[in-house]
Amino acid sequence: DTGVSQDPRHKITKRGQNVTFRCDPISEHNRLYWYRQTLGQGPEFLTYFQNEAQLEKSRLLSDRFSAERPKGSFSTLEIQRTEQGDSAMYLCASSFSVVGNTGELFFGEGSRLTVL
Amino acid sequence: GENVEQHPSTLSVQEGDSAVIKCTYSDSASNYFPWYKQELGKRPQLIIDIRSNVGEKKDQRIAVTLNKTAKHFSLHITETQPEDSAVYFCAVLPISNFGNEKLTFGTGTRLTIIP
Repeated sequence: DTGVSQDPRHKITKRGQNVTFRCDPISEHNRLYWYRQTLGQGPEFLTYFQNEAQLEKSRLLSDRFSAERPKGSFSTLEIQRTEQGDSAMYLCASSFSVVGNTGELFFGEGSRLTVL
Repeated sequence: GENVEQHPSTLSVQEGDSAVIKCTYSDSASNYFPWYKQELGKRPQLIIDIRSNVGEKKDQRIAVTLNKTAKHFSLHITETQPEDSAVYFCAVLPISNFGNEKLTFGTGTRLTIIP
């Protein structure tokens, strides 16, 4: 399967713990996005990368959230000192885009986080 | 930032009838308008998209219309089938300008096809 893969698919953690999610995009895609989705809502933008450069980070993202894409391939999203409000589905998406022409976003199956 | 409103939030349609979902957006610089379908527990998947240089695009039973002047676009599904039941999201992307390339999604429409 050459689609976007995310790991783990499910994570249950206690409040205050740190969690890390990994995303492997489609190999030739230069852009990688992180979105968060809560029940009954549309995906909410968190951050995105063009190759290894993090180009934008949502104001909604507190300092407890950090994302990296060190070699322009896979990405990690870390949440420190988790809170119950962090419980959501974390979606990764990738695309091949050039200036003036954004390509289709392909989503992974998501990583569901439950903070107890 | 971009504000996307989507209506209705829920829609029930008799099998075989048509369904229409509408979205409005605020940023006149937006130029890419995809629609995603998300089945329960699954990933969002692109079903159709339109760019601002066209007013309508059709793919079999699915069509999207765009009115840039009024800043709204719509998804039309004809001859609906039970497998069309899902949540549908519209999304909007502004003209490319590094640093502002994120899709903003609507709040979703839960479509139920009644057999």
